[in-house]
Amino acid sequence: GAVVSQHPSRVICKSGTSVKIECRSLDFQATTMFWYRQFPKQSLMLMATSNEGSKATYEQGVEKDKFLINHASLTLSTLTVTSAHPEDSSFYICSASFGTAKNIQYFGAGTRLSVL
Amino acid sequence: QKEVEQNSGPLSVPEGAIASLNCTYSDRGSQSFFWYRQYSGKSPELIMFIYSNGDKEDGRFTAQLNKASQYVSLLIRDSQPSDSATYLCATDSWGKLQFGAGTQVVVTP
Repeated sequence: GAVVSQHPSRVICKSGTSVKIECRSLDFQATTMFWYRQFPKQSLMLMATSNEGSKATYEQGVEKDKFLINHASLTLSTLTVTSAHPEDSSFYICSASFGTAKNIQYFGAGTRLSVL
Repeated sequence: QKEVEQNSGPLSVPEGAIASLNCTYSDRGSQSFFWYRQYSGKSPELIMFIYSNGDKEDGRFTAQLNKASQYVSLLIRDSQPSDSATYLCATDSWGKLQFGAGTQVVVTP
């Protein structure tokens, strides 16, 4: 149980384009979803927290207009990187939690974004 | 000061030996502690979580927590080559996970 699906696994795009990443909880309803970014040899950095039906809460230093998060249902959250630039190239990972054990997060497989 | 600190390694462990990983944290309010395993190029996978002082065992893994010392550790018994990965320590802080930079473990045959 507690499977989180993330797509696509890898995307290569040109500078200036937008990229959408989907995160789905397959066998549970995710009350909260999280989006992380990980640069090589570094740890996970939380970008934002989203609860179904409400606006995402962004961490300090994360541009909400650049990284659009939509959490339209209890099983789906999307992250759109708008007008991507080479410095946005990174490993983006979503996670989800549910029920009373909100601090136990289950991670998706991650999306490797390369912006040319 | 980093909130969650880990030795980056690499920690080289002979196959069959015990790997010992350490983690210290700064937030005394943290109540939950997690160990994740991350293979190169993959996302983290939850190994164990611990809430109470003392030891918690799950198969070959044992987590140890000492809140007074703000210290949490992970022991991997009978280490296997498949245990070669980066191990991330995380603490729960106000509903968010704070991750350490991870310790790379290399199990040598």
